[in-house]
Amino acid sequence: DGGITQSPKYLFRKEGQNVTLSCEQNLNHDAMYWYRQDPGQGLRLIYYSQIVNDFQKGDIAEGYSVSREKKESFPLTVTSAQKNPTAFYLCASSQNSRGNEQFFGPGTRLTVL
Amino acid sequence: SQQGEEDPQALSIQEGENATMNCSYKTSINNLQWYRQNSGRGLVHLILIRSNEREKHSGRLRVTLDTSKKSSSLLITASRAADTASYFCATGYNTDKLIFGTGTRLQVFP
Repeated sequence: DGGITQSPKYLFRKEGQNVTLSCEQNLNHDAMYWYRQDPGQGLRLIYYSQIVNDFQKGDIAEGYSVSREKKESFPLTVTSAQKNPTAFYLCASSQNSRGNEQFFGPGTRLTVL
Repeated sequence: SQQGEEDPQALSIQEGENATMNCSYKTSINNLQWYRQNSGRGLVHLILIRSNEREKHSGRLRVTLDTSKKSSSLLITASRAADTASYFCATGYNTDKLIFGTGTRLQVFP
């Protein structure tokens, strides 16, 4: 099955710890994205990548880091510098990045205790 | 910054009724897309309308776009309980990013 997967579905961490969220796609898409969604809100872009070994900051990149070493993988690290990390994190991919349809993973709900 | 604003924020209807939700945006666009999100899940793409199109249909969905008013509407006809979800519009313009709105929460009662 082609698709985009995120793991884990639920993640709990203590305050001050870094945590890495996984995102993998087998759609052969060039572009990948990370969004944050807070309760009752829309999506805010954290980072995006158009091609392997390249990525750009989105609207709320502070406290987050990413890597794109492989086309199919785009992990997101939530660092201790992120002041309010508890949220629902969504990963997406698209064929290319010029405003095309995005395919979303099922999301990871991160709770920082 | 979020460009799209959906209206209403929440909508409750009975099965069989039509549901209309609106999206307004602020700047030029190449296309506008509508997505659906079931509670606690990822988003699913529903339909894309380009800036040179005025109306598009897909099954029970009808989307209109008025670029002069910078607005779009999504109509779901003959709604079903399974249509209960949040619906988001997203705009793209010569960039690598989509800008998502705040969403409309639709509740369809059986």
